[in-house]
Amino acid sequence: DFQMTQSPSSLSASVGDRVTISCQTSHDITNYLNWYQQKPGKAPRLLISDASNLETGVPSRFRGSGSGTDFTLTISSLEPEDFATYYCQQYFDFVNTFGQGTRLEIK
Amino acid sequence: QLQLQESGPGLVKPSETLSLTCTVSGGSVTISGYYWGWIRQPPGKGLEWIGSISYSGNTYYNPSLKSRVTISTDTSQNQFSLRLTSVTAADTAVFFCARHVTATTPDNWGQGTLVIVSS
Repeated sequence: DFQMTQSPSSLSASVGDRVTISCQTSHDITNYLNWYQQKPGKAPRLLISDASNLETGVPSRFRGSGSGTDFTLTISSLEPEDFATYYCQQYFDFVNTFGQGTRLEIK
Repeated sequence: QLQLQESGPGLVKPSETLSLTCTVSGGSVTISGYYWGWIRQPPGKGLEWIGSISYSGNTYYNPSLKSRVTISTDTSQNQFSLRLTSVTAADTAVFFCARHVTATTPDNWGQGTLVIVSS
């Protein structure tokens, strides 16, 4: 079975901090991975596609990296509007496409 | 500017069929290269991709839901729809419609609609 593991499940940080969120897959998915941000009561927003491609309008403090089975979302310096839940999503396979989510909270 | 809006009943009885429609404005469901699909999110939980349909009518479904799901388009109304049969309480969720740039990559979402399965 194809598995995705996103970590940590929650994270407390302060404005200005650098944070990293990890996503690991059980099979090589090359770069078929996206990152989404979701705020309470809102639809998710696509931040990064193809593991590292920043979507139009997304601030440059967001960076995606990785390939194969290990991927990372890095926010270089947290802004107040970045506190949200983040999801990775693979599109190599039709099952278990989204990670479990990482809730980023203000410390 | 592309906009998507979900519509349909907010309450469905167990064992019945859930039907939702997504109305697209600012774009066409027949535009080449795009897909149109559905994602759901149970209250307080994570996201689950349900399925999508291509501009040419090819469908792609999450294997865990495939036996109960149908996604279709109505090009005359510029809409696409979701049918989920034999629902149970476990199907209670916010359902999002979305344009997809690959069969499973949603990039432009509707606001979502809550559907509760209860008698």
